[in-house]
Amino acid sequence: QITLKESGPTLVKPTQTLTLTCSFSGFSVTTYGVGVGWIRQPPGKALEWLALIYWDDDKGYNPSLKSRLTISKDTSKNQVVLTLTNMDPVDTATYYCATAGLATPFDYWGQGTLVTVSS
Amino acid sequence: ELVLTQSPGTLSLSPGERATLSCRASQSVTNNYLAWYQQKPGQAPRLLIYGASSRATGIPDRFSGSGSETDFTLTISRLEPEDFAVYYCQQYGSSPTWTFGQGTKVEIK
Repeated sequence: QITLKESGPTLVKPTQTLTLTCSFSGFSVTTYGVGVGWIRQPPGKALEWLALIYWDDDKGYNPSLKSRLTISKDTSKNQVVLTLTNMDPVDTATYYCATAGLATPFDYWGQGTLVTVSS
Repeated sequence: ELVLTQSPGTLSLSPGERATLSCRASQSVTNNYLAWYQQKPGQAPRLLIYGASSRATGIPDRFSGSGSETDFTLTISRLEPEDFAVYYCQQYGSSPTWTFGQGTKVEIK
């Protein structure tokens, strides 16, 4: 059974760096073709893809946020970490992690975590 | 950068009616790697369709996807009460740079 869960701060101040952790079970991010991605959704708005990391450490970032995003994986802990620098109130959103593959979209999702940016 | 445009923004229909949702890409989607998701309030999205026309595990056959290159469609043949939700398309062909559409809300008329 595949499960994912996001964790991190619920409140950050403007200009701070957000660090979110996706902890998962039921699969390995070292398996060929496997990837884990991050997606966010501001309240009442659409989904926005942020970043993706594959089993071979290949990474992809949303071009509009690339300079602020870093994605990494810790295979020993079954975790994928996302950092977003220089947080702004417009970054307030529910952040999701999800599994993906070379030829498959996001098929298993975490429950999401709401991050609010406010001073 | 590939942009996905969904239409209409809102679809008002009654249970039992047919729903047709459109997703148009600004350039051809590689390998027709186009997915559809359903999202209900307070829930994570659920994968419905991948590869433009393949249903994900456990998805009822009233959901079908079609299309290729730049024009894609999600059809719900007969709306059930639980189908009223927001639907997103997503391309995953320009790996590893992916994109979502802005969503179509299917609401009860």
